[in-house]
Amino acid sequence: EVQLVESGGGLVQPGGSLRLSCAASGFTFSDHYMDWVRQAPGKGLEWVGRIRYKAKSYSTDYAASVKGRFTISRDDSKNSLYLQMNSLKTEDTAIYYCTRGGNDGYFFDYWGQGTLVTVSS
Amino acid sequence: DIQMTQSPSSLSASVGDRVTITCRASQTITTSLNWYQQKPGKAPNLLIFAASTLQSGVPSRFSGSGSGTHFTLTISSLQPEDFATYYCQQSYSIPTFGQGTKLEI
Repeated sequence: EVQLVESGGGLVQPGGSLRLSCAASGFTFSDHYMDWVRQAPGKGLEWVGRIRYKAKSYSTDYAASVKGRFTISRDDSKNSLYLQMNSLKTEDTAIYYCTRGGNDGYFFDYWGQGTLVTVSS
Repeated sequence: DIQMTQSPSSLSASVGDRVTITCRASQTITTSLNWYQQKPGKAPNLLIFAASTLQSGVPSRFSGSGSGTHFTLTISSLQPEDFATYYCQQSYSIPTFGQGTKLEI
């Protein structure tokens, strides 16, 4: 059974940093693109960014709203995905979902339960 | 970025109804369009990918169609568990989602 379990969310002040983790199991993690998608309270879904697999040089893409502030990384030996968030803004407040990018990122076929990040003073 | 616009934003229907949700892209995306269902407090769930391919385990009352810039999600006979919010998402370029359609009783 595919499982994605996020952790690391919490309350942080504007300008602060936070690192989210996602533990994957039930599939060959190293073979898949992995993405982060977020959802502000009561709002819709927003794609945050993606990391590809080794054969694609672990290349990354980011939404314009987070580019230069957020960094996605992965550790295939630990089946883990990470999201380093710096210079956080109040508008970054959201539930952050770890997702598997099925078919080389064509769709998001598995999602974690999400972790809430609140940016507030 | 490609903008995705869903209509309607909300929809009231009854069990047994046939409902259709529309998604329009700001430029052509061929058939690179996916649909998700999200229930309150839960993560989204993939329903349809590549505009019309049903994800494994999804009931056959769900169907998708369209290409280019105009797409539809149809539920042929609403069941109580279908009342949720639905999102379209394009994968032609950097992923973007529609704003969602809330399907209410």
